[in-house]
Amino acid sequence: EDQVTQSPEALRLQEGESSSLNCSYTVSGLRGLFWYRQDPGKGPEFLFTLYSAGEEKEKERLKATLTKKESFLHITAPKPEDSATYLCAVRARAGGTSYGKLTFGQGTILTVHP
Amino acid sequence: DGGITQSPKYLFRKEGQNVTLSCEQNLNHDAMYWYRQDPGQGLRLIYYSQIVNDFQKGDIAEGYSVSREKKESFPLTVTSAQKNPTAFYLCASRSLAGGLTDTQYFGPGTRLTVL
Repeated sequence: EDQVTQSPEALRLQEGESSSLNCSYTVSGLRGLFWYRQDPGKGPEFLFTLYSAGEEKEKERLKATLTKKESFLHITAPKPEDSATYLCAVRARAGGTSYGKLTFGQGTILTVHP
Repeated sequence: DGGITQSPKYLFRKEGQNVTLSCEQNLNHDAMYWYRQDPGQGLRLIYYSQIVNDFQKGDIAEGYSVSREKKESFPLTVTSAQKNPTAFYLCASRSLAGGLTDTQYFGPGTRLTVL
């Protein structure tokens, strides 16, 4: 069974204090690892897709990296508007009855104080 | 604007009632999904559909039903058989055109509360 564990559950940072969020996963053949941002009461907003170990992607203050067992979301010099819940999800290779299914972690709640 | 719309944003249901949540997309995506989100838990898959007139149960389908009569629409009915329906419901869609671009995009969600 595919599993995703995110840590920490909650993270409080001061504005400008860089840090990382972790996503550990076990999956029977990784098809893709996805990062989303979710604001309270809203749907998740897509950030990144990573497909293979060693891959990195960046967007503004965010950088996502991938190894064979985990992914990190690095936040450089965060601002209060980066406060949100960050979700990680994996998709296994096609097969069985759940093609396209994403398995989500429980999320990391990030709060950035001014 | 292309995107996914869900309605209503808030829904209140009395015990014993069936309610239907709407999901529409104009992205020309083939696959559509329904997830449920509870506090402190990851999103859990209820139903998904990859083609019109076909759909599959996800991990927590009991007490729910869906239909896919049009490519653009994938309504979810929460029946009275669902024991604990209070949650945030999210609809998503994805292109099956192939390649590596297979991201699921989400709608804004419907918050269902049972009174």
